[in-house]
Amino acid sequence: VKLVESGGGLVQPGGSLRLSCVASGFTFSNFALDWVRQAPGKGLEWVAGITGSGTTTEYASSVKGRFTISRDSRKRMVILQMNGLRAEDSATYYCTKEAFSTIYYGFDVWGQGTTVTVSS
Amino acid sequence: QSVLTQPPSASGTPGQRVTISCSGSSSNIGTNSVNWYQQFPGSAPKLLIYSNVQRPSGVPDRFSGSKSGTSASLAISGLQSDDEADYYCASWDDSLNGYVFGTGTTVSVL
Repeated sequence: VKLVESGGGLVQPGGSLRLSCVASGFTFSNFALDWVRQAPGKGLEWVAGITGSGTTTEYASSVKGRFTISRDSRKRMVILQMNGLRAEDSATYYCTKEAFSTIYYGFDVWGQGTTVTVSS
Repeated sequence: QSVLTQPPSASGTPGQRVTISCSGSSSNIGTNSVNWYQQFPGSAPKLLIYSNVQRPSGVPDRFSGSKSGTSASLAISGLQSDDEADYYCASWDDSLNGYVFGTGTTVSVL
């Protein structure tokens, strides 16, 4: 089971960035996927999740209305579209897999992370 | 922000038992299960305990979890130098409709 993130980088405040995560080693549609972030020197913060079917999404209040999570079964990919970026969004973003198809049971596999820096 | 409270640090000598607490509320730990994650510097977190007390395959039985009411605990017995890492608890929160993490605990082996 493997998750590989990409798409991080340096972006100006107010800008947009699209993170991608390619999954392998499991039946993609059977498991929910989430994004969790960690600011430099700080703790973990859940950002967003999407069910295995892709029909339900959930967001942390800090990103609701600015970030959108989606999944592409054909490409075995989960995407985090980030708009209206702020300095406080700077963090390493981890793609995670849940133990079941619903967003509830927590994260049993983590990617290595991709770093987002929001700065002028 | 972190909704679950953990001590910032914990330490022990090799072979000792160390316990890390995780305090929450009725909307998270009081109602839902707790997972624990281990993170080494510069690396991604790894699942250590799930559903309060279960260990994934490959996790030594020196690690154990428990839950009572609105609190949970992670115990590390037979402490080893390889256990030096950050540890986070996490749970679903029904009020926030999202996951909440603990503040994190850094374990040191003296």
